[in-house]
Amino acid sequence: DTGVSQDPRHKITKRGQNVTFRCDPISEHNRLYWYRQTLGQGPEFLTYFQNEAQLEKSRLLSDRFSAERPKGSFSTLEIQRTEQGDSAMYLCASSPRLDSYNEQFFGPGTRLTVL
Amino acid sequence: ILNVEQSPQSLHVQEGDSTNFTCSFPSSNFYALHWYRWETAKSPEALFVMTLNGDEKKKGRISATLNTKEGYSYLYIKGSQPEDSATYLCALTPNDYKLSFGAGTTVTVRA
Repeated sequence: DTGVSQDPRHKITKRGQNVTFRCDPISEHNRLYWYRQTLGQGPEFLTYFQNEAQLEKSRLLSDRFSAERPKGSFSTLEIQRTEQGDSAMYLCASSPRLDSYNEQFFGPGTRLTVL
Repeated sequence: ILNVEQSPQSLHVQEGDSTNFTCSFPSSNFYALHWYRWETAKSPEALFVMTLNGDEKKKGRISATLNTKEGYSYLYIKGSQPEDSATYLCALTPNDYKLSFGAGTTVTVRA
């Protein structure tokens, strides 16, 4: 399967713990995006990378959140000191640089539950 | 933040019936609109990218139209089948990297 993959698919954690998610984009895509979806809402943009450079971060990405993309390949999203409000589906997407009007290819998401 | 609205939030349709639903968006500075289908436990799947006023796109029994002047797009499902059950998301892209999504329309096809 050459699509976008995410790991883990589900994560249950206790409030105050740190969690890290991984995203592996489609190999020839140099743009990578993170979105978050909460119940009843559409996915909301969090951040995006072009190669290893993080070019924009949403105001939704508080200082407890950090994303990296070392070497411009896979990306990690870390949430420190998790809160119950962090419970959501975290989606990763990738796209090629010369794309068709920003068509993005999504992974299956990581569902985070903070108890 | 772009206000992208989808209606209805959910709908039920009998197998074999046709249905449609709406995505509304600000008509100024339009760049492109995307439709995705998201089945439970799977990745959101791109259906259409629509860029020009009057665009009509078709993929099997699913089709979409676009009116950029009045700021709306319709998605149509003809002869609904159980496998069409999913959440359908529309997303506006005002530039070349960010998608602004609506909340989705969840379609349940009853056999």
